[in-house]
Amino acid sequence: EVQLVESGGGLVQPGRSLKLSCVASGFTFSNYGMNWIRQAPGKGLEWVAYISSGSSYIYYAETVKGRFTISRDNAKNTLYLQMTSLRSEDTALYYCARLLSAWGQGASVTVSS
Amino acid sequence: EIVLTQSPTTMAASPGEKVTITCRASSSVSYMHWFQQKSGTSPKPWIYDTSKLASGVPDRFSGSGSGTSYSLTISSMEAEDAATYYCLQRSSYPWTFGGGTKLELK
Repeated sequence: EVQLVESGGGLVQPGRSLKLSCVASGFTFSNYGMNWIRQAPGKGLEWVAYISSGSSYIYYAETVKGRFTISRDNAKNTLYLQMTSLRSEDTALYYCARLLSAWGQGASVTVSS
Repeated sequence: EIVLTQSPTTMAASPGEKVTITCRASSSVSYMHWFQQKSGTSPKPWIYDTSKLASGVPDRFSGSGSGTSYSLTISSMEAEDAATYYCLQRSSYPWTFGGGTKLELK
């Protein structure tokens, strides 16, 4: 069974940093491109970032470019999202996803003083 | 950036009724993908590559379209279909989602 389990969310002050992790199981993680998608409270879905299977290709939404960094460790079957200079508008549930086939349960990030 | 506009934003359908949700793109895209999300749960991949049903999706669902206009159709509404549906394009970065269509049971 494919599983994606996010962790690392929490309450953080504006301007601070936070790092999310997503541990994958049930499939060969190193064969798949992975994504982070977020959903602000009561709002729709927003694609945040993509990383290819071997980390050669990385893309970001304009809203996070320069502040967020997606990375992966294929030896540990783990996807990461390093978030810096956080803003209140980054408050959301952050999903790790093998986009067209499997999503995690989400990690909640709240940016507030 | 390709903007996806879904319509309607909300709708209610009776059991057995045919339902169509549309997704219009500001520029042509090669494929459209759809997700179903129920309250308090993660989105589920529902239709991919415009018309292919994800595993476990009932065959009363179908997808169609090309270019800038795509649709998700339910041939006969059932109670379990009440959810919010989102379209997604991956033809060009940044990938973008539609704003969602909330489908309720009448």
